[in-house]
Amino acid sequence: DAGVIQSPRHEVTEMGQEVTLRCKLISGHNSLFWYRQTMMRGLELLIYFNNNVPIDDSGMPEDRFSAKMPNASFSTLKIQPSEPRDSAVYFCATIRDYLYNEQFFGPGTRLTVL
Amino acid sequence: QKEVEQDPGPLSVPEGAIVSLNCTYSNSAFQYFMWYRQYSRKGPELLMYTYSSGNKEDGRFTAQVDKSSKYISLFIRDSQPSDSATYLCAMTFQGAQKLVFGQGTRLTINP
Repeated sequence: DAGVIQSPRHEVTEMGQEVTLRCKLISGHNSLFWYRQTMMRGLELLIYFNNNVPIDDSGMPEDRFSAKMPNASFSTLKIQPSEPRDSAVYFCATIRDYLYNEQFFGPGTRLTVL
Repeated sequence: QKEVEQDPGPLSVPEGAIVSLNCTYSNSAFQYFMWYRQYSRKGPELLMYTYSSGNKEDGRFTAQVDKSSKYISLFIRDSQPSDSATYLCAMTFQGAQKLVFGQGTRLTINP
């Protein structure tokens, strides 16, 4: 079954600092998605990977954001430098059932940039 | 204009009421339609999945797709306080892994 671990669960930082969010997939899955959720904009896809390769990064806001997937079960999303408008909940997700394209979400990282 | 439009609410109804949640979309190529439920401080989880037009029922939940109108609905019968959550519609294309989400409707069922 799918399992997604995200760390940290909460992050408070000051503007200009580098922030690294982490995602670990418990079970073997080929796809990994990074989303950002805010009240104003809802749930937005930032980037997704297939077999560790970035497929679509059109949702990445700007060059301050970067994502890597060095192996099949781990990914990082980095923001450098961070800005207050980056405050949001960041979710990592994978596909649990390819027949229905069911995406299974992690618990999220709540980021606050002061 | 967003590809998928969903009224963010909030929507508050008494326990036992029938709830209707809706989304409209602009891209006629969407073929797969989903509803996700998200409890407070949790990630979204898949609630209902439908392909093309028609109705699908699962217990107290009914998902309806009208492709001619580019309109999808989720009905909740006999609503319970435990149904209080944010409901997000999502849709995608044939063979695609990327989902396009609506903004989500925040629903509260009052005992």
